Amino acid sequence: AIRMTQSPSSLSASTGDRVTITCRASQGISSYLAWYQQKPGKAPKLLIYAASTLQSGVPSRFSGSGSGTDFTLTISCLQSEDFATYYCQQYYSYSSWTFGQGTKVEIK
Amino acid sequence: QITLKESGPTLVKPTQTLTLTCTFSGFSLSTSGVGVGWIRQPPGKALEWLALIYWDDDKRYSPSLKSRLTITKDTSKNQVVLTMTNMDPVDTATYYCAHSVNTAMAAGYFDYWGQGTLVTVSS
Repeated sequence: AIRMTQSPSSLSASTGDRVTITCRASQGISSYLAWYQQKPGKAPKLLIYAASTLQSGVPSRFSGSGSGTDFTLTISCLQSEDFATYYCQQYYSYSSWTFGQGTKVEIK
Repeated sequence: QITLKESGPTLVKPTQTLTLTCTFSGFSLSTSGVGVGWIRQPPGKALEWLALIYWDDDKRYSPSLKSRLTITKDTSKNQVVLTMTNMDPVDTATYYCAHSVNTAMAAGYFDYWGQGTLVTVSS
């Protein structure tokens, strides 16, 4: 199975900061990577798919990049509503889907 | 507008079988490329994919849980059912169902999710 490793597991940041989260796949997954945002008590929300394509309605301060094994989610100017946990997920394999362990973005 | 909603017991005893139903609207599970998956999340922990069923009745299971899982669909009722046998307290989690559409060269991401249902395993 393809393993997904996110870093850091948590970070503290202030409103207005630029935040970067990385995700590494244990084998090449081309650009078949999605990013989700999850707030406490809520279902995950799709932010980005195909590594860099913004889901409809997602603010442009979110961006994604990467291909192969290394990927990045960037929030260019952190807003109060962005404090949440973020997950990457590969969908390269038709046999199994795997998520990263999550990155919690907290208020500094 | 695509919506999904999970239903089932909130409490099950160890060794019992869990049956969860995902009732959806806004899409058809007979449309080529469409799938419905199940994902769970233990309290305070990460998301874990469990199973997925495709429009053509093809089924995929998490390798670590395959022996305990069965996923089925009832296209006429717009429902997907997940059963998990031999429940254990470590299976306590919020269980989500989600919509997926295959991409051109790979499987699909989960673009719509249900609200989730918390299942507690305890005697």
